[in-house]
Amino acid sequence: AQTVTQSQPEMSVQEAETVTLSCTYDTSESDYYLFWYKQPPSRQMILVIRQEAYKQQNATENRFSVNFQKAAKSFSLKISDSQLGDAAMYFCAYRRTTGNQFYFGTGTSLTVIP
Amino acid sequence: NAGVMQNPRHLVRRRGQEARLRCSPMKGHSHVYWYRQLPEEGLKFMVYLQKENIIDESGMPKERFSAEFPKEGPSILRIQQVVRGDSAAYFCASSPTREKLFFGSGTQLSVL
Repeated sequence: AQTVTQSQPEMSVQEAETVTLSCTYDTSESDYYLFWYKQPPSRQMILVIRQEAYKQQNATENRFSVNFQKAAKSFSLKISDSQLGDAAMYFCAYRRTTGNQFYFGTGTSLTVIP
Repeated sequence: NAGVMQNPRHLVRRRGQEARLRCSPMKGHSHVYWYRQLPEEGLKFMVYLQKENIIDESGMPKERFSAEFPKEGPSILRIQQVVRGDSAAYFCASSPTREKLFFGSGTQLSVL
């Protein structure tokens, strides 16, 4: 069964600093997608970044980048130049290429300190 | 292009009543997913639908829960005879291709 683990329930970062959120997953598949979603207090889930497992290059979206280590089944999110608006719950998610379900971790609550 | 619309945002029901949660996907999206989020937990998959078809309902309880996505109109998640354990946030997501999910703001169901 696929599982996604986020071992950091809470993290904090000073404004303008860099923070890394951890995520590991368990799968026997070789081809899949990985995602980071952000859930602000408004509750709506917003896609932050997506990684395709067959791509070796780490995905990047502006201040957000990932460190994808396929052999270690690790998918961490790095937020650079943190802003107050980055404060939210962050969820890591996995989906098999041929699957229907997205599997989510339990989330990391990120606080940004002014 | 409006986002995924869910209503109501908050729904209060007494034990034994029915709850109907609505989801209008983004224009052009034919894939709809329902997820449930309990406090301190991630989202749990319930059901995946395409127009008029249930594709995967492996995450949905066999009793009291049903979902539909008719040819016209929103997708509906229906919970009959609600119990306190059904209290949760229910999220709908839509997708044009299954590769990315676009979420609504959820419906918070409270069962008294």
